[in-house]
Amino acid sequence: GAGVSQSPSNKVTEKGKDVELRCDPISGHTALYWYRQRLGQGLEFLIYFQGNSAPDKSGLPSDRFSAERTGESVSTLTIQRTQQEDSAVYLCASSSRDRVIYGYTFGSGTRLTVV
Amino acid sequence: GENVEQHPSTLSVQEGDSAVIKCTYSDSASNYFPWYKQELGKGPQLIIDIRSNVGEKKDQRIAVTLNKTAKHFSLHITETQPEDSAVYFCAASKGNQFYFGTGTSLTVIP
Repeated sequence: GAGVSQSPSNKVTEKGKDVELRCDPISGHTALYWYRQRLGQGLEFLIYFQGNSAPDKSGLPSDRFSAERTGESVSTLTIQRTQQEDSAVYLCASSSRDRVIYGYTFGSGTRLTVV
Repeated sequence: GENVEQHPSTLSVQEGDSAVIKCTYSDSASNYFPWYKQELGKGPQLIIDIRSNVGEKKDQRIAVTLNKTAKHFSLHITETQPEDSAVYFCAASKGNQFYFGTGTSLTVIP
C-alpha cells in the first residue's frame, strides 16, 4: 500500500483481556518496528523485525507482550492479560533497506484503552 | 545505549516568529538524526534529517544543525504558521534502532 496501515485505530478492552494489534507495512519494506507512546510522552521502542532475521525484542516491557511477523509482511502485536498501564498509542513503522536515506514511515497508530 | 534529551517540552511562539528545538545525544557513534512532526491523532511524519557528515541542512522554512563535537542538534523553523503547531520529536540512530527524544509541543499563536 501507499503507507503503513494499522488496525484497529481505536480499541477499548477490559482489564485482563487479550488484544491483538495489526500492522501492514509499506510493500517492500524489510524492517518493521513497534513503538509505544503513552499520553504526553515520547516513543518507547518495543520490538524490531528485519527480514527473516531473529527479531530484536529488547524493548518488550514484560512477557505479556509478544509480536510476530511472517517474512516481510503483516505484523501483529499481542498483549495478554491487559493492564491499565498498557493504555497507550501503539505505533508501527517500516523502512526500506536504505533506512538511513528514507528513515521510518509511521502508521497512524492504535489507541488502546484498558478499562 | 543511546540517550536523547529534548528541550523545551512545550514552546509557544507568535505567528511569523522563529522556533528552535534542541536535542542532545550521548553516543558519539550515532550518525543519523531525523526530526518527526506528529499532528493530533496521526503518526509521526519525517520532516527533515541530517547525517553526521553534514553540519547543516535546510528545506524551505525548516533547518537542522548538527554539532558532533558537542553532541547536539537543533531544529529551526522560521516564519512559523499555525499549521506548524504539532509535537516534534528528534531521534538519533547509529544502526537499526532509533532513539527518540521526549517531544516538544509547539503552539503557533495566530
